[in-house]
Amino acid sequence: QKEVEQDPGPLSVPEGAIVSLNCTYSNSAFQYFMWYRQYSRKGPELLMYTYSSGNKEDGRFTAQVDKSSKYISLFIRDSQPSDSATYLCAKAHNAGGTSYGKLTFGQGTILTVHP
Amino acid sequence: DGGITQSPKYLFRKEGQNVTLSCEQNLNHDAMYWYRQDPGQGLRLIYYSQIVNDFQKGDIAEGYSVSREKKESFPLTVTSAQKNPTAFYLCASSIEGLAREQFFGPGTRLTVL
Repeated sequence: QKEVEQDPGPLSVPEGAIVSLNCTYSNSAFQYFMWYRQYSRKGPELLMYTYSSGNKEDGRFTAQVDKSSKYISLFIRDSQPSDSATYLCAKAHNAGGTSYGKLTFGQGTILTVHP
Repeated sequence: DGGITQSPKYLFRKEGQNVTLSCEQNLNHDAMYWYRQDPGQGLRLIYYSQIVNDFQKGDIAEGYSVSREKKESFPLTVTSAQKNPTAFYLCASSIEGLAREQFFGPGTRLTVL
């Protein structure tokens, strides 16, 4: 079983829709969870990260972690065509507030927001 | 402007040749990373380095080599031992202890003919 699983989609929504992107993870150690956005033929950029549980909001984006179900989600409100990209979830091991070593990525979900 | 540069953007090589991909950062980050991205597989870690003159293997290090002689530079060599080298290669860096906040370069697309 992969440490982080993500539905690759593709996902197509109309402009203005609420988008829900999801990942599951298999390791229960205390961890940080990240969401990256990657436009075609570009490097990923960090959108936001959360600790093992709870929500974090940044503008139209909300990241959520459900420890009981080992589920991490990214919600995009009022989606725009400029949100069309591949969204990658990732986790990093937490050691006393720091995080070392590798990130483990999901496969990425391709999102298209059409006008 | 601070950031990470990778060169070249596109690279073509014949099978059996070694090739070196460049990665430079001016963010003053101690940690640097190399990932490989294939369609439908997300990013997989090849090597990472937390400090100059030290580096560790990632999940798919076979067929690759790295060096870290300077803080700002972390070149990756794809050797002829790598069985399937055609891929998109991404370099990243972070402050040591903050691997959760990695900054990525624009990537190099390597095609082996």
